[in-house]
Amino acid sequence: DAKTTQPPSMDCAEGRAANLPCNHSTISGNEYVYWYRQIHSQGPQYIIHGLKNNETNEMASLIITEDRKSSTLILPHATLRDTAVYYCIVRVVSDFGNEKLTFGTGTRLTIIP
Amino acid sequence: KAGVTQTPRYLIKTRGQQVTLSCSPISGHRSVSWYQQTPGQGLQFLFEYFSETQRNKGNFPGRFSGRQFSNSRSEMNVSTLELGDSALYLCASSLVQIYNSPLHFGNGTRLTVT
Repeated sequence: DAKTTQPPSMDCAEGRAANLPCNHSTISGNEYVYWYRQIHSQGPQYIIHGLKNNETNEMASLIITEDRKSSTLILPHATLRDTAVYYCIVRVVSDFGNEKLTFGTGTRLTIIP
Repeated sequence: KAGVTQTPRYLIKTRGQQVTLSCSPISGHRSVSWYQQTPGQGLQFLFEYFSETQRNKGNFPGRFSGRQFSNSRSEMNVSTLELGDSALYLCASSLVQIYNSPLHFGNGTRLTVT
């Protein structure tokens, strides 16, 4: 699986949009970009994933650059409950499935009141 | 729909003992995978089961083993516990019948070895 690079920490004011970058310059054509977050003492929570098109769900938006070498997770109106470690993961998905995720060190996002 | 359930939530064991952790996947999910999380190594993949068969295994010693039952529930076992086995053990399930289905994690079992 391709390696990802994320800033170790970021702050964001409550109510503002939080933009979390991820670099995955060695991503292959069959690798998806996944985002998870982990709030202290809980398991990782799935947020969103995408291949090459921008994606949006009730939690966040995912913007993937045209060359797919980087992406940005956007939390549109950050709240204190969004304080967590955010992981960007690239995942090969095949017809046989691939349930092994390789986690990096993630970005510790702190929402400031 | 109920999420992934892991029991027990906390466990304290002594070096040399063995431990069994349990995971109940989301209803309908047939793949169960296990991860170990420590402050030093982060989240690391242990193994994955589908239809009672281990399909993938991470780089852990043979003291770590697992199994999956016909109802997709899974257990992992660690024998001859070492202090370094203290960690948060996470279970995840996925609906592999649907291509590119995301993994969903439980809240883990925190194991402390003394």
